[in-house]
Amino acid sequence: GEDVEQSLFLSVREGDSSVINCTYTDSSSTYLYWYKQEPGAGLQLLTYIFSNMDMKQDQRLTVLLNKKDKHLSLRIADTQTGDSAIYFCAETFSGNTPLVFGKGTRLSVIA
Amino acid sequence: DADVTQTPRNRITKTGKRIMLECSQTKGHDRMYWYRQDPGLGLRLIYYSFDVKDINKGEISDGYSVSRQAQAKFSLSLESAIPNQTALYFCATSDSQGALVTGELFFGEGSRLTVL
Repeated sequence: GEDVEQSLFLSVREGDSSVINCTYTDSSSTYLYWYKQEPGAGLQLLTYIFSNMDMKQDQRLTVLLNKKDKHLSLRIADTQTGDSAIYFCAETFSGNTPLVFGKGTRLSVIA
Repeated sequence: DADVTQTPRNRITKTGKRIMLECSQTKGHDRMYWYRQDPGLGLRLIYYSFDVKDINKGEISDGYSVSRQAQAKFSLSLESAIPNQTALYFCATSDSQGALVTGELFFGEGSRLTVL
């Protein structure tokens, strides 16, 4: 079945760049997502990328997709303490199938 | 007010009790989902519903049941709660309409359930 893997923890210093990585097994994945979960809250969509794209940039966020290696990454430039959260990678074959989530990467930003 | 509302937000119960978690949404979305979050395990899908007459099992449906009472309401029941059902439960919605259906999920704030 489908599987999405992420490392569980990442610690960075304030002002540095953070890179959160994700690998997935389903080569037919069409949409890939990054969600953010702040303490005590639900998940909120940060960004998503279609499988026909290699990169997407949105302000401090850069998403890179390597379809050959089934690897997705999220880079956060100039990481701030407010970026401390759990980041989930997710994928779906189409907009009509439920999302499959990774286990989440807890990002800690050290001031 | 939140677009996706879950009640209760916190619940402590005892083994063997019946528990219902409720979810209502004002987003007008046709699709609703229940996920469970456990530390180190991420989010796992329990049940989902693509419209009022459609109910589908997810990855971990054993021990759970659902009811889609209306387009805006989707409830999750634990008929006889057990301690390993202690978790954070999330309801989510998505929209099948529109020019681009991406499957994006909109989440409630979660219901924390503790089974003693």
